[in-house]
Amino acid sequence: EVQLVESGGGLVQPGGSLRLSCAASGFTFSSYWMNWVRQAPGKGLEWVANIKEGGSERSYVDSVKGRFTISRDNAKNSLYLQMNSLRAEDTAVYYCVRSYAPAAIPNFDYWGQGTLVTVSS
Amino acid sequence: QSALTQPASVSGSPGQSITISCTGTGSDVGDYDYVSWYQQHPGKAPKLLIYEVSYRPSGVSNRFSGSKSGSTASLTISGLQAEDEADYYCASYTTTSPLGVFGGGTKLTVL
Repeated sequence: EVQLVESGGGLVQPGGSLRLSCAASGFTFSSYWMNWVRQAPGKGLEWVANIKEGGSERSYVDSVKGRFTISRDNAKNSLYLQMNSLRAEDTAVYYCVRSYAPAAIPNFDYWGQGTLVTVSS
Repeated sequence: QSALTQPASVSGSPGQSITISCTGTGSDVGDYDYVSWYQQHPGKAPKLLIYEVSYRPSGVSNRFSGSKSGSTASLTISGLQAEDEADYYCASYTTTSPLGVFGGGTKLTVL
């Protein structure tokens, strides 16, 4: 059974940092593109970042470029999102998501339960 | 403002059929068959219903179907059931961004 379990969310002050983790199991993690998708409270979905199977390609939505870094450790079946210089508008539930298509094709077949990040003073 | 336009809400009675539209441009929906649809119940993660315009993943009811005409993709739900009440999102590949784009979401109410 495919499982994606996020952790690391919480309350952080504006300008602060947070690192999200996603533990994957039930599939060959190193064979899939992985993604972070977020959802602000009461709002729609936003694709934040993705990373290629081996980690050689990464892309970001403009609003987080230079502040967020997506990475993965295939030996540990884990996906990460390092978030720096956090802003109030980054407040959202962050989902770890598997793609079974490459790059920017949004075929998201498995989602984690999400972890809430709240940026507030 | 979302890159893909969806109606904010739709409604229907049990047993009826409804259609949710997702309008883009020639940079996304219009020129590429990489449109997917997701269902999200309150407090839950989204679930993939349709990928690449009209394909259903294993386990998804055949009451859900997808299509596309020009720059507008559509999700049709037939034989509406109370459990279909949820938010629905479309997503598409786009040439204007290194990542795809989502629609703003549509709230389906089953009357």
